[in-house]
Amino acid sequence: QKEVEQDPGPLSVPEGAIVSLNCTYSNSAFQYFMWYRQYSRKGPELLMYTYSSGNKEDGRFTAQVDKSSKYISLFIRDSQPSDSATYLCAMSGDRLAFGKGNQVVVIP
Amino acid sequence: EADIYQTPRYLVIGTGKKITLECSQTMGHDKMYWYQQDPGMELHLIHYSYGVNSTEKGDLSSESTVSRIRTEHFPLTLESARPSHTSQYLCASSEMDNQETQYFGPGTRLLVL
Repeated sequence: QKEVEQDPGPLSVPEGAIVSLNCTYSNSAFQYFMWYRQYSRKGPELLMYTYSSGNKEDGRFTAQVDKSSKYISLFIRDSQPSDSATYLCAMSGDRLAFGKGNQVVVIP
Repeated sequence: EADIYQTPRYLVIGTGKKITLECSQTMGHDKMYWYQQDPGMELHLIHYSYGVNSTEKGDLSSESTVSRIRTEHFPLTLESARPSHTSQYLCASSEMDNQETQYFGPGTRLLVL
């Protein structure tokens, strides 16, 4: 079983829709949970960073962590074409473990 | 925007050639990393460094080697490229006690014919 599972299926949504992404994990030692955003032909950049279970908001982005279920989510409200990118979840124990990424396309 | 640079951005090369992928950062970070990224797959850590003269192998076995002679510079070398080395290589850096916040370069796309 992989440490981090992220269904890599692409996601196309109309502008203004809510985007919902999620990852599951198996390693109980993970303490930090991140979402990285990667635009085409660029390297990933850190988008959200959470430590504990619960929600964290940053503008239109909400990161949610449920440690009891080993499940994390990212929600993008009022999605914009500029949100079109690949979103990778990542978790930290002694090293970062990444998910496969979800390609999101927001259609104007 | 992160101050971490990779050259070349794209490289097409024949089998058996020696290649060096360059990575430099101007943030003064002690930790640096090399990842391999293939389409639809996770980023896999292949090498990392805690600082000058420190190099460690990552989770994914790789025939490449790295060196860290200067804090800002972390080149990756393949002595004899093979088609199986075709991939995207991403360099990253972080502060020593904050590996969760990694700054990535734009990547080098390598195609070995």
